[in-house]
Amino acid sequence: NAGVMQNPRHLVRRRGQEARLRCSPMKGHSHVYWYRQLPEEGLKFMVYLQKENIIDESGMPKERFSAEFPKEGPSILRIQQVVRGDSAAYFCASSAQGATNYGYTFGSGTRLTVV
Amino acid sequence: AQTVTQSQPEMSVQEAETVTLSCTYDTSESDYYLFWYKQPPSRQMILVIRQEAYKQQNATENRFSVNFQKAAKSFSLKISDSQLGDAAMYFCAYRRLSGGGADGLTFGKGTHLIIQP
Repeated sequence: NAGVMQNPRHLVRRRGQEARLRCSPMKGHSHVYWYRQLPEEGLKFMVYLQKENIIDESGMPKERFSAEFPKEGPSILRIQQVVRGDSAAYFCASSAQGATNYGYTFGSGTRLTVV
Repeated sequence: AQTVTQSQPEMSVQEAETVTLSCTYDTSESDYYLFWYKQPPSRQMILVIRQEAYKQQNATENRFSVNFQKAAKSFSLKISDSQLGDAAMYFCAYRRLSGGGADGLTFGKGTHLIIQP
């Protein structure tokens, strides 16, 4: 019973390139959350998705960032035209239902480095 | 907006001793959830313990327990009989009770726990 799978584990992009981060939720989970962790900081909520729907994107930057969770396949966090400030660890979490009190299951994160 | 504050950037404790990590939060909600997460060098976020605000009894999980003071909006984590494997970053987190789309966790900045052998 694999947990939340994120790939790649490490991603290096040059400024101006696109970054695609993937998250496969736990089996049976249909709710996905993305968080960003800047150095020396806690995780910051970005977006909450269900299959084919964005439920809450209040933490997403208005430009260059987008997220999707298609009917089939993993959830994708896409960052266009990356800048140095996008360097961070990006975590995905999943749950079987949205209003759960169990704090979700997290993946191991993708560390994005923009050079 | 909710905020979570961890005032101890780093704590150190001798192996087998007890250590308490502090967390305070600010919210206007009356019902919510509180969590402590552990993040070892592997970066994996591991749920340590959780507390429902409507429960007066403090949560415990083996060597981990909390001191939840709702009026003071305080949620400290006590680790008894500290072990080398407890060394990690510890994050306090808050989540409101009702969903309505806003199900995200609000995290503190973390406390780096060092275990001295």
